[in-house]
Amino acid sequence: SAVISQKPSRDICQRGTSLTIQCQVDSQVTMMFWYRQQPGQSLTLIATANQGSEATYESGFVIDKFPISRPNLTFSTLTVSNMSPEDSSIYLCSVEVRGARGNEQFFGPGTRLTVL
Amino acid sequence: AQSVAQPEDQVNVAEGNPLTVKCTYSVSGNPYLFWYVQYPNRGLQFLLKYITGDNLVKGSYGFEAEFNKSQTSFHLKKPSALVSDSALYFCAVRQTGANNLFFGTGTRLTVIP
Repeated sequence: SAVISQKPSRDICQRGTSLTIQCQVDSQVTMMFWYRQQPGQSLTLIATANQGSEATYESGFVIDKFPISRPNLTFSTLTVSNMSPEDSSIYLCSVEVRGARGNEQFFGPGTRLTVL
Repeated sequence: AQSVAQPEDQVNVAEGNPLTVKCTYSVSGNPYLFWYVQYPNRGLQFLLKYITGDNLVKGSYGFEAEFNKSQTSFHLKKPSALVSDSALYFCAVRQTGANNLFFGTGTRLTVIP
């Protein structure tokens, strides 16, 4: 398994500002993912972040809006840039762990972002 | 393309009764199927998964799910519901060769005392 922590747990931000969310894992993992969960909706993958390479973004998400860093195997950051109220969501970090019965994904507790 | 359908936004069940949360999927190749639970103000927690093998998969907290290939379903079940099972449940699928999960829209389960 993997224990994942995220900072901050929640924040209220002004329109036009940026927020960087940190994700820390208690073990070394190759694959990390960032998801968004908008109010009342399911999780949507923003990007996949592998250590040592550029993040891969899903359709509808771009690096200028959601720059990601992955400096080592236990840490990643997601920045939400030039925020608008539509960015109000829960942002979740996730990691893939290889086990005896295949890969499993574990999720952090999420960062609840409110943009005014 | 892959998709996951959870046809019920809300499921209500009396405490002690059996519960079922439905999930159907569409994916190329052999599916990897998952159930996650989200309690209020907490992150997603893994419940169980199907990769290969027995169609009936047992997971955490007494939950189980049955993989039905002909019906492309992976319904979550529990023989006797607890009030503490009240939460938001997500079905997810991973396509062969892919790394990320694709989630359904979630089903809110309420267990009534």
